[in-house]
Amino acid sequence: EPEVTQTPSHQVTQMGQEVILRCVPISNHLYFYWYRQILGQKVEFLVSFYNNEISEKSEIFDDQFSVERPDGSNFTLKIRSTKLEDSAMYFCASFRQGLGEQYFGPGTRLTVT
Amino acid sequence: GDSVTQMEGPVTLSEEAFLTINCTYTATGYPSLFWYVQYPGEGLQLLLKATKADDKGSNKGFEATYRKETTSFHLEKGSVQVSDSAVYFCALRWDTGTASKLTFGTGTRLQVTL
Repeated sequence: EPEVTQTPSHQVTQMGQEVILRCVPISNHLYFYWYRQILGQKVEFLVSFYNNEISEKSEIFDDQFSVERPDGSNFTLKIRSTKLEDSAMYFCASFRQGLGEQYFGPGTRLTVT
Repeated sequence: GDSVTQMEGPVTLSEEAFLTINCTYTATGYPSLFWYVQYPGEGLQLLLKATKADDKGSNKGFEATYRKETTSFHLEKGSVQVSDSAVYFCALRWDTGTASKLTFGTGTRLQVTL
């Protein structure tokens, strides 16, 4: 069965550093998403992406965040200058209309120290 | 705004026990409702869904009924197995567009013991 993959599984970074989280969505999917879950809190929507542009973003997704589909297979989330409060599990998801619901990756645990 | 509230975990049950995980939502109108499951080391997987009031979603012995009068979508299973140990997430989605986001609850960890 096709699956969404994410790398790395765990990233530790220092406050103020840039991080890039990578996702490989299912190959024939057209819609892409990032969600995050701070430990003990809700899974929160960050951003959706379609046709090489952002479809919707939440209040969390400020100027420190950006997304990109650099090569037609990867989908990345960049945090320019990480804060302690960015520590969370980040989930990528992809979707194609008519082929079921959103498929999720296993997540990347980001720890900012 | 929209929100989903789940019972706090962990829920610990013996094998073959009956499971209920409560989920209620706050929304104006009638969104689609979902249960996702996350097994250790894996991504969120869709378990079941219901798209309108009184619909019952079911899969792998799990069931949930969309109750608009109580704004609830409680997950039930008659006899749990050790392999059901996972984190369960309730979620809602408005079907207003193809890229519609999911709004999740905090998740409930289920641990089933022999």
